[in-house]
Amino acid sequence: GQQLNQSPQSMFIQEGEDVSMNCTSSSIFNTWLWYKQDPGEGPVLLIALYKAGELTSNGRLTAQFGITRKDSFLNISASIPSDVGIYFCAGPPYGGATNKLIFGTGTLLAVQP
Amino acid sequence: EAGVAQSPRYKIIEKRQSVAFWCNPISGHATLYWYQQILGQGPKLLIQFQNNGVVDDSQLPKDRFSAERLKGVDSTLKIQPAKLEDSAVYLCASSLYGPHFYNEQFFGPGTRLTVL
Repeated sequence: GQQLNQSPQSMFIQEGEDVSMNCTSSSIFNTWLWYKQDPGEGPVLLIALYKAGELTSNGRLTAQFGITRKDSFLNISASIPSDVGIYFCAGPPYGGATNKLIFGTGTLLAVQP
Repeated sequence: EAGVAQSPRYKIIEKRQSVAFWCNPISGHATLYWYQQILGQGPKLLIQFQNNGVVDDSQLPKDRFSAERLKGVDSTLKIQPAKLEDSAVYLCASSLYGPHFYNEQFFGPGTRLTVL
């Protein structure tokens, strides 16, 4: 089935560093979503992107909808300890049901104070 | 505003036993989803309800899994009999009705199931 691949798989950084992660697919997506999951909790929506090329920010987070519609990027500036968690990209594949989300493989972020 | 509630938070059972999970979505959210999240993976949709009707259950292992949402609010997910590979976190999510709203799903804390 369709799959979203995220890289890197994990990141271990120092507090204050900037972080970049990406999500790629072999097929087109018409919406990209970025979620964060804290240990023992469900994912929480961070940013939603609806148009190719769109760049959207939410505080220190910035996400971009790739021009090819097959990828998306998430950047976190000046990381802090509470940024620790697993970041998932997700989206409904183009041509599929808009209600059916495919989730990526996740990027684990660890921030050392 | 209260979030999505799930219970229990943790469950340990032996294989071949049965188990049930409960979910109460955000008030006013017509759409409810059950996901399975195996350790180290992203959530995978099992079933989606629109009010009390099933919209998509294509990835639900129907020989052992069942779900219902009788009054269009709360939902239960049951596994009978459980297998070792059912060990996972079962997440419930809800959303408003509509094209973009389907994409913006709010998740509960999940039930962590361990099958021994």
